[in-house]
Amino acid sequence: GEDVEQSLFLSVREGDSSVINCTYTDSSSTYLYWYKQEPGAGLQLLTYIFSNMDMKQDQRLTVLLNKKDKHLSLRIADTQTGDSAIYFCAENGSSNTGKLIFGQGTTLQVKP
Amino acid sequence: DGGITQSPKYLFRKEGQNVTLSCEQNLNHDAMYWYRQDPGQGLRLIYYSQIVNDFQKGDIAEGYSVSREKKESFPLTVTSAQKNPTAFYLCASMKVRFTGELFFGEGSRLTVL
Repeated sequence: GEDVEQSLFLSVREGDSSVINCTYTDSSSTYLYWYKQEPGAGLQLLTYIFSNMDMKQDQRLTVLLNKKDKHLSLRIADTQTGDSAIYFCAENGSSNTGKLIFGQGTTLQVKP
Repeated sequence: DGGITQSPKYLFRKEGQNVTLSCEQNLNHDAMYWYRQDPGQGLRLIYYSQIVNDFQKGDIAEGYSVSREKKESFPLTVTSAQKNPTAFYLCASMKVRFTGELFFGEGSRLTVL
């Protein structure tokens, strides 16, 4: 079945780069997403990548997609304390109903 | 500004009571979704609706009910049949046939006493 896996916790120092990793199982996914959730709030879309792309860069964010290994990563350059949040990886699977499959979320802790 | 509004933000319920969570959107989105979030488990889909007067069960629909009488509104009722209802509930909407971007509300935290 469809499944998305992430590590649960990552701690970095302010100014360092953060890399959050994700693996997924459904090779028919056309889009993969990274969402950010701040404490007590809803999720916000950070970025997404189309499945025929290997990389997408958006300011401090770089998404890498290895479709062969079904591996997705999010790199945040020059990580700031405001980046502390939970980051969710998601895929849209084989349906077009908008049923995204989410990972468990990675809590990013940024130390000053 | 356009967005999704969930209410109430916090809700306490006694065991055996039904409770309804409100979700309203003014984004003119066709599809709406309800997710449940538990610590360390990510988001699990409860129900979704792609058009008015139609909805489908998600992965954990037991003990929940929904309606979609208007495009803007997708209320979720947590019934007394839901065995473990304490959770953070998130409503989302999507403009169908785009990139699949979900827009989320701020969530409702339900605590059963």
